[in-house]
Amino acid sequence: GAVVSQHPSRVICKSGTSVKIECRSLDFQATTMFWYRQFPKKSLMLMATSNEGSKATYEQGVEKDKFLINHASLTLSTLTVTSAHPEDSSFYICSSMGGALAGGLYENEQFFGPGTRLTVL
Amino acid sequence: AQSVAQPEDQVNVAEGNPLTVKCTYSVSGNPYLFWYVQYPNRGLQFLLKYITGDNLVKGSYGFEAEFNKSQTSFHLKKPSALVSDSALYFCACVAWNTGFQKLVFGTGTRLLVSP
Repeated sequence: GAVVSQHPSRVICKSGTSVKIECRSLDFQATTMFWYRQFPKKSLMLMATSNEGSKATYEQGVEKDKFLINHASLTLSTLTVTSAHPEDSSFYICSSMGGALAGGLYENEQFFGPGTRLTVL
Repeated sequence: AQSVAQPEDQVNVAEGNPLTVKCTYSVSGNPYLFWYVQYPNRGLQFLLKYITGDNLVKGSYGFEAEFNKSQTSFHLKKPSALVSDSALYFCACVAWNTGFQKLVFGTGTRLLVSP
């Protein structure tokens, strides 16, 4: 399967600062990228879906201004947690999916990154 | 709305014994179903999927799942468990969201395989 990387793998920051997490699709062009949040011992909660070159679609209850998503290219999406607070501490996971615009490779299949552990003090 | 349910928070099995992790689905139309495994502090790894075809789907690491339409189930199975299979397992289904698909995950089942 395809490889998806995330950077950083772990970040600790002070309350009020912003944190950027990168998600890269290393060996295929990802038409769509997804961002999930996972609380301890809980399932994954989809935060938003982003398509290259267009605005992200956020799930109900997710603050657009707090969780900024940029999908600037077919291989890179970023999630910025703005003015982070301790309640934003979580495990953030991205996934990449191919599609028709990417030559049909991995169409409708999601590949997940290793996750980023965010701790806000 | 499309959904999957995993009724067991945890499954305990002895090494060498068969294991089953349960999943039921509620999907309108043809279901697209997946199983993923997650090891501590890691992302999800794809195990197998059912889109169409044979009801018995074979996947990675010796796992398989049986699609049962009458029982709306997609249970994950392995004939002989290994200690290294201990992890968190997620069942998922595809839901369509304003023109593109997204995955809806179950709550997860922790599998503990004892030596």
